[in-house]
Amino acid sequence: QQQVKQSPQSLIVQKGGISIINCAYENTAFDYFPWYQQFPGKGPALLIAIRPDVSEKKEGRFTISFNKSAKQFSLHIMDSQPGDSATYFCAASYGSSNTGKLIFGQGTTLQVKP
Amino acid sequence: NAGVTQTPKFRILKIGQSMTLQCTQDMNHNYMYWYRQDPGMGLKLIYYSVGAGITDKGEVPNGYNVSRSTTEDFPLRLELAAPSQTSVYFCASRTSNTGELFFGEGSRLTVL
Repeated sequence: QQQVKQSPQSLIVQKGGISIINCAYENTAFDYFPWYQQFPGKGPALLIAIRPDVSEKKEGRFTISFNKSAKQFSLHIMDSQPGDSATYFCAASYGSSNTGKLIFGQGTTLQVKP
Repeated sequence: NAGVTQTPKFRILKIGQSMTLQCTQDMNHNYMYWYRQDPGMGLKLIYYSVGAGITDKGEVPNGYNVSRSTTEDFPLRLELAAPSQTSVYFCASRTSNTGELFFGEGSRLTVL
């Protein structure tokens, strides 16, 4: 019940295309859903996050879509650029005001071809 | 701004040896975490701390120990290293007000 399942494991997209990464969770107590971006040799960094009281959040070319009834959320990268090539992790937690322990998905390696 | 600093960046250990991974943050964050990252497995929480003197186990604590004597430092101790502990280790911190984790650049450990 603590798992967050992420797919696909890897993704290749042409420059200008849309990249879509999906995550599913089981624990309905989760109330915070962030996406992290990681470049090779670096630590993950927060990209965008959503709480379950909204169905969509957009920041620039990055959008989170959230489906509470299906217990799924996804990251959409519009107009994908070679600089977006990185590993993306979805995550979930409950009680971010408490311990805020994040449960991470398995990760998706995105390659954007020029 | 230094943020979260981890040392060493790389280390090779022999089976049975012990070592400490250091983590320091200069953001006055109360919450600190240790994760390990293995290919295709995402990040798994090893230990975490909600403040100086308080630590608790995460998902995969076996073979590790931590301490939190100050707000800034959160070292991770590996006792009797095993090949299964070959991994990249990340330290992270956050405030109590937001959910955003700030990660260090990682420590790559190989146990042979």
